[in-house]
Amino acid sequence: SQKIEQNSEALNIQEGKTATLTCNYTNYSPAYLQWYRQDPGRGPVFLLLIRENEKEKRKERLKVTFDTTLKQSLFHITASQPADSATYLCALEKNSNSGYALNFGKGTSLLVTP
Amino acid sequence: DAGVIQSPRHEVTEMGQEVTLRCKPISGHNSLFWYRQTMMRGLELLIYFNNNVPIDDSGMPEDRFSAKMPNASFSTLKIQPSEPRDSAVYFCASSFERLYGYTFGSGTRLTVV
Repeated sequence: SQKIEQNSEALNIQEGKTATLTCNYTNYSPAYLQWYRQDPGRGPVFLLLIRENEKEKRKERLKVTFDTTLKQSLFHITASQPADSATYLCALEKNSNSGYALNFGKGTSLLVTP
Repeated sequence: DAGVIQSPRHEVTEMGQEVTLRCKPISGHNSLFWYRQTMMRGLELLIYFNNNVPIDDSGMPEDRFSAKMPNASFSTLKIQPSEPRDSAVYFCASSFERLYGYTFGSGTRLTVV
């Protein structure tokens, strides 16, 4: 069966450091991978999409890598701030018969302390 | 645009009652998705519409759940009869192009007692 695995343990880091979150997947052949941010009591918010041939993508302090051989994506937040504290979700398209319907990982909670 | 609008924000109902959740997608978005989120199972896709047509409803738990999209600006998710295990946050999301991801609503927190 298809699986998207993210570290269930919360990640606690100090302000100014780089946070690195991991997303591993099995039984997907994704052409795209997405990352979302979710704050308590709110819906997820789209952050980045990376294509299978891009390897790395950056947006401001965010950097995402995508390794289809390892079946893994890494999500980095550089110079982290307390406002970056949230849960971060990785998402992959379910299958080619479902358009771009996404399956989501359970997310990793990030806490940035001053 | 006001974003994806869901109503109600909170719903508390008794077991066996009918529940209807509503969603207004962003104007111009041609894809609409219903998700359910719990601590145990995370975000689960229930159903996906494209141009108002259901494309994938394999995530709908059972016959008690039904969803409709009568036009491009409105969708409903109905649970009849509701059960305590249906308690969750239900999200609606819309999209017009995969490269821009989904826009989610604020969700409906459903509690069935």
